[in-house]
Amino acid sequence: QSVLTQPPSVSGAPGQRVTISCTGSSSNIGAGYDVHWYQQLPGTAPKLLIYDNTNRPSGVPDRFSGSKSGASGSLAITGLQAEDEADYYCQSYDSNLSGWVFGGGTKLTVL
Amino acid sequence: QLQLQESGPGLVEPSETLSLTCTASGDSISSSSYYWGWIRQSPGRGLEWIASIYEGGSTYYNPSLKSRVTISVASSKNQFSLHLRSVTVADTAVYYCARQKIVGGSFYSFFDNWGQGTLVTVSS
Repeated sequence: QSVLTQPPSVSGAPGQRVTISCTGSSSNIGAGYDVHWYQQLPGTAPKLLIYDNTNRPSGVPDRFSGSKSGASGSLAITGLQAEDEADYYCQSYDSNLSGWVFGGGTKLTVL
Repeated sequence: QLQLQESGPGLVEPSETLSLTCTASGDSISSSSYYWGWIRQSPGRGLEWIASIYEGGSTYYNPSLKSRVTISVASSKNQFSLHLRSVTVADTAVYYCARQKIVGGSFYSFFDNWGQGTLVTVSS
């Protein structure tokens, strides 16, 4: 059971917008620790997608955006493309667990 | 451009020690801006942070694994290593090494560069 809660799956048609939530608590996101997002394409290593809540590394399309409010973070993907079909994970730090934590992951299906 | 490569045995017997090494190329692991960490992913499951180390020697461990894990760094070889003792089948996973960017404070950190991962199976 992850301390960061994500929906197991989301789906959308090409061109649509989807959002993935990451719900934490007062010991992690709610304590002010940043939310980071990773994309894991099938059979590959995770790749940093969003860091420090809202920032995109070089090379990540601006179709991907992140936000944070209170004890939750959110990843939005606009203009869905088939190549976006992947697993997405959020990550933060938890002061109660004294360690870095990941959400359980969300599988995005492009219909 | 940093590249990370995990190496180690793909099969470990129960109760033995799992030992993996991560070799960095294209950047020095002596950089003061980064931790160096290990993350694993059990088959069909999510990501689990295992341990991280700062080149200066500070170490951080997942409390659920702390009693069995040691992380170390060999700066002269640009490598860092993971040792997980007394393994069971539950430790079967893909193990990733990763660079961990430190931002504005010790625990404000994210994994900005990952190795390709190595599958370790625990079985007799």
